[in-house]
Amino acid sequence: SQQGEEDPQALSIQEGENATMNCSYKTSINNLQWYRQNSGRGLVHLILIRSNEREKHSGRLRVTLDTSKKSSSLLITASRAADTASYFCATDAQTGANNLFFGTGTRLTVIP
Amino acid sequence: KAGVTQTPRYLIKTRGQQVTLSCSPISGHRSVSWYQQTPGQGLQFLFEYFSETQRNKGNFPGRFSGRQFSNSRSEMNVSTLELGDSALYLCASSLDVTGGSGANVLTFGAGSRLTVL
Repeated sequence: SQQGEEDPQALSIQEGENATMNCSYKTSINNLQWYRQNSGRGLVHLILIRSNEREKHSGRLRVTLDTSKKSSSLLITASRAADTASYFCATDAQTGANNLFFGTGTRLTVIP
Repeated sequence: KAGVTQTPRYLIKTRGQQVTLSCSPISGHRSVSWYQQTPGQGLQFLFEYFSETQRNKGNFPGRFSGRQFSNSRSEMNVSTLELGDSALYLCASSLDVTGGSGANVLTFGAGSRLTVL
């Protein structure tokens, strides 16, 4: 399976702290994306990083990509209670197919 | 603009029945993908449609099928329901980016929660 894996599976932090989630994947990719899912709802796209990029920022989000290690990390700075959600990485396949492969997700809880 | 709309949001069926789920993509999005989400298997790709044609298919049995209409709206059908089909079914639409180094950013609907008893 090309599905990635997130680490840790669950993370609990205090409001104001930073949260770091990691993602590992198995095959070569064109790009990697991070999505967020509030409980039982659809996923929301957060940020995309291309295979030739090493780091990308968007507001309080910072994503890194290491294609040699087939891994990525998502950092959320100055977390808020509203950041409580599950976070998934998603990779494409370099086959030209349009489907994404999602990781297993990290459940983040931010305690007010 | 309106987001991706999925109906129904919740439904309960019994084993052996069939179910049809509907998805209306964002206006202008021609690609529609379906995913199944369960606690045990996570998010699994079902299939993707573009211009009324199935372009990609995941590793699901033939009981799972879908179609796309000329207005890009899509339906998926599951026949002979099994207990293991209980899941959140997510539809996502995107602007078509055909492979290569293109980026397929998905916009998801809220999902249809299917419970099979």
